Amino acid sequence: QSVLTQPPSASGTPGQRVTVSCSGSSSNIGSNPVNWYQQLPGTAPRLLIYSSDQRPSGVPDRFSGSKSGTSASLAIFGLLSEDEADYYCAAWDDSLNGYVFGPGTKVTVL
Amino acid sequence: EVQLLESGGGLVQPGGSLRLSCGASGFAFSTYAMIWVRQAPGKGLEWVSLISRSGGGTWYADVAKGRFSVSRDNSNNTLHLRMDSLRAEDTAIYYCVKCRGSGSHSAYFFDYWGQGTLVTVSS
Repeated sequence: QSVLTQPPSASGTPGQRVTVSCSGSSSNIGSNPVNWYQQLPGTAPRLLIYSSDQRPSGVPDRFSGSKSGTSASLAIFGLLSEDEADYYCAAWDDSLNGYVFGPGTKVTVL
Repeated sequence: EVQLLESGGGLVQPGGSLRLSCGASGFAFSTYAMIWVRQAPGKGLEWVSLISRSGGGTWYADVAKGRFSVSRDNSNNTLHLRMDSLRAEDTAIYYCVKCRGSGSHSAYFFDYWGQGTLVTVSS
């Protein structure tokens, strides 16, 4: 049972916008930055968004992150077939004194 | 180019021990904290342990406390994870991950991941 909550799945057609939510509490998202990771099938995860809304170099600007209170969101604009992957949010939890990951959201391109 | 190469995984019996290693290259290893993250088959990501740049600070997930021990050898750019009293539920791919970020570890993010090494605990 993760302390961060994500929907198990999300989907959209090519070109659509898809949003993935991540809900936490005051001890994690409410007081620390949120990061997002993308895991393509059969590969290691890669950093997608850091510090809640920053994109590392090499990540397309179709990916956008935001945070408000104890929740965060990842938006994918102009969905492409190559975006089909699992997406995980993560943050430090002050109560647990460790990092926590959300359970992951599988994004499917219809 | 940053590279993280894990080794040491394999099949071990319940109650047994294993030592994972991670060779790092392409960056100043001693100036970055490192973590281990695992992923059970078909499951999500789970943070296991964090070690500070010097190795003087270590943190563990509850599932690892008392059984796992993280260490690093900055002179050889190597990260280790010693795992004792292994259980079936420890079966997973173990990833070596580089941290980045300023200030407290609560603001770290994980910018480079190894390909992982599979640990299977079974009789």
